[in-house]
Amino acid sequence: AQKITQTQPGMFVQEKEAVTLDCTYDTSDPSYGLFWYKQPSSGEMIFLIYQGSYDQQNATEGRYSLNFQKARKSANLVISASQLGDSAMYFCAMREINNAGNMLTFGGGTRLMVKP
Amino acid sequence: DTEVTQTPKHLVMGMTNKKSLKCEQHMGHRAMYWYKQKAKKPPELMFVYSYEKLSINESVPSRFSPECPNSSLLNLHLHALQPEDSALYLCASSQVGTGSYYGYTFGSGTRLTVV
Repeated sequence: AQKITQTQPGMFVQEKEAVTLDCTYDTSDPSYGLFWYKQPSSGEMIFLIYQGSYDQQNATEGRYSLNFQKARKSANLVISASQLGDSAMYFCAMREINNAGNMLTFGGGTRLMVKP
Repeated sequence: DTEVTQTPKHLVMGMTNKKSLKCEQHMGHRAMYWYKQKAKKPPELMFVYSYEKLSINESVPSRFSPECPNSSLLNLHLHALQPEDSALYLCASSQVGTGSYYGYTFGSGTRLTVV
């Protein structure tokens, strides 16, 4: 069984500064995918960034980058130049593929609060 | 069309009521999912449909009954719910396969309150 751990229940960051949200995972599957989602208070899950287990380079999407350290089983999200609109819950998730289909399992989440 | 549409957005129901949640996508995705999310908790997988067949049921009580009438539509039928079933219910869809990337698209959810 896989497991996703986010050790920071809540974080503050000053507007325009960078922030790192931690995520560690545990799986015995050689092929897996790691996702980060943002969930504002409205409830929708917004996809931010993806990293495949075989990807050689760290993923980047605009202000978001993923610091993927495979040997340490960590996939930290880095948000550069924080904006007030970045205040939300952030979830790390891992996709497992088995004969039954795809399964996406989430970590406990980190609530990010951006201060003006 | 790159959206997953969920209706209704809000639902209040009594414990003796029967209601249904609806989820629709037109992205050609052949896997669809129901997740339940309690306040301040991560989403928890309930059901997975792959090619319109139920492939995963995460030991969900029978008062929740999923249905996938076609490749674009996913329903969740609710009957005799308990107050502790109050939560945000999220629908998602994705392609099926073992490729390097098959992203999930989530709907905006249905906020269910059982009274």
